[in-house]
Amino acid sequence: EAQVTQNPRYLITVTGKKLTVTCSQNMNHEYMSWYRQDPGLGLRQIYYSMNVEVTDKGDVPEGYKVSRKEKRNFPLILESPSPNQTSLYFCASSWLAGENGELFFGEGSRLTVL
Amino acid sequence: GDSVTQMEGPVTLSEEAFLTINCTYTATGYPSLFWYVQYPGEGLQLLLKATKADDKGSNKGFEATYRKETTSFHLEKGSVQVSDSAVYFCALSDRYTNAGKSTFGDGTTLTVKP
Repeated sequence: EAQVTQNPRYLITVTGKKLTVTCSQNMNHEYMSWYRQDPGLGLRQIYYSMNVEVTDKGDVPEGYKVSRKEKRNFPLILESPSPNQTSLYFCASSWLAGENGELFFGEGSRLTVL
Repeated sequence: GDSVTQMEGPVTLSEEAFLTINCTYTATGYPSLFWYVQYPGEGLQLLLKATKADDKGSNKGFEATYRKETTSFHLEKGSVQVSDSAVYFCALSDRYTNAGKSTFGDGTTLTVKP
């Protein structure tokens, strides 16, 4: 089954404790992206990747890191989480960015930073 | 930069009512336009899309027409069902002028009552 898998789905952590949210897709997509969803702010792009070893900042990259060492994986790293990073995070992938670029989303990871 | 403005919610309708959710956009190039739907506790999934002016996207009884002259992509359904209750996101993506960055509206929550 074609899917985007995120882990963990739920996480409560404390300020400053490094964490990684993993994302894996089995559709051989070149393009992958991370978003955060906050009430009243919609969906905002954090980072994206057009292919292996190619990453770029989205609209809200501060406080986050990503890597793309393999085509299928695109982990989101919070080196020193802060309470303002409490949010619902989505990973998404696509064959193409832009034209005809339907995004396939994971089920989301709800992160709480105390 | 690119932006998407959606009709503010929440929207509450009775079953079989007509639905319109307004969406307008600003883009420098020639974007593709999308509607995504998010059911409770799930990730976003594509509802419909249109890649050029005057294209009509349709799926599950929903329709939206890409109107370049009014920069709009309004979502419509003639008769909503309780199962249509969800959050709806309008989005654009422009591979050629802003490759890799999808822009989403804030989302509109629809509740359909029996």
